Amino acid sequence: SYDLTQPLSVSVALGQTASITCGGDNLEKKYVHWYQQRPGQAPLLIIYKNTYRPSGIPERFSGSYSGNTATLTISRAQAGDESDYYCQVWDSDTSFYVFGTGTTVTVL
Amino acid sequence: QAQLVESGGGVVQPGGSLRLSCSVSGVTLSDYNIHWVRQTPGKGLEWVAILSDDGNSKAYVSFAKGRFTISSDNSKTTVYLQMDSLRAEDTGIYYCATSLGNQSPMEVWGQGTTVTVSS
Repeated sequence: SYDLTQPLSVSVALGQTASITCGGDNLEKKYVHWYQQRPGQAPLLIIYKNTYRPSGIPERFSGSYSGNTATLTISRAQAGDESDYYCQVWDSDTSFYVFGTGTTVTVL
Repeated sequence: QAQLVESGGGVVQPGGSLRLSCSVSGVTLSDYNIHWVRQTPGKGLEWVAILSDDGNSKAYVSFAKGRFTISSDNSKTTVYLQMDSLRAEDTGIYYCATSLGNQSPMEVWGQGTTVTVSS
């Protein structure tokens, strides 16, 4: 099965920058999407196709990728950014949709 | 803008069945793929199944094959997830979500419905 690996947790000081990585085999050949899930809420799409932001998502959220690693960057972190973040791809070999292991972001 | 509302969750004994519903409004169901995604206690998100926009193609993750069935009603406003032979590890929150294509993201999500499998 295809796996996406994320750090379990990331801490960031208020107003600083947090980076969340997502690693997987041949990731450069796939589109990576990112979701934010606040406690008790449904996931929310915040980055799609590696780098694009849906309407209404603050510019503080950005996506990038290099080789087999995709990165979600949260700039000028706010208390409201405390959430779980998941990356996701479609695996063409299995036709399965795969989510990363998830990262909990804490704003200090 | 699509709106999705899940229902049908509840408490069921191991080996039992439940049918979850995902009511779709604001868009034409035939324009979107519909996914079911679950979140088990203390764990992350797991993709469960997809129904293609034309209703003719279905796919399931390994643990759902043979036990879960995704379908839609004739009016094409509701997508179902029939879950049979339920196990304790199927306990969790089940979400439905829309997407436009295989490599497209899951753009709109419902609020989820909770399934508890327990004796």
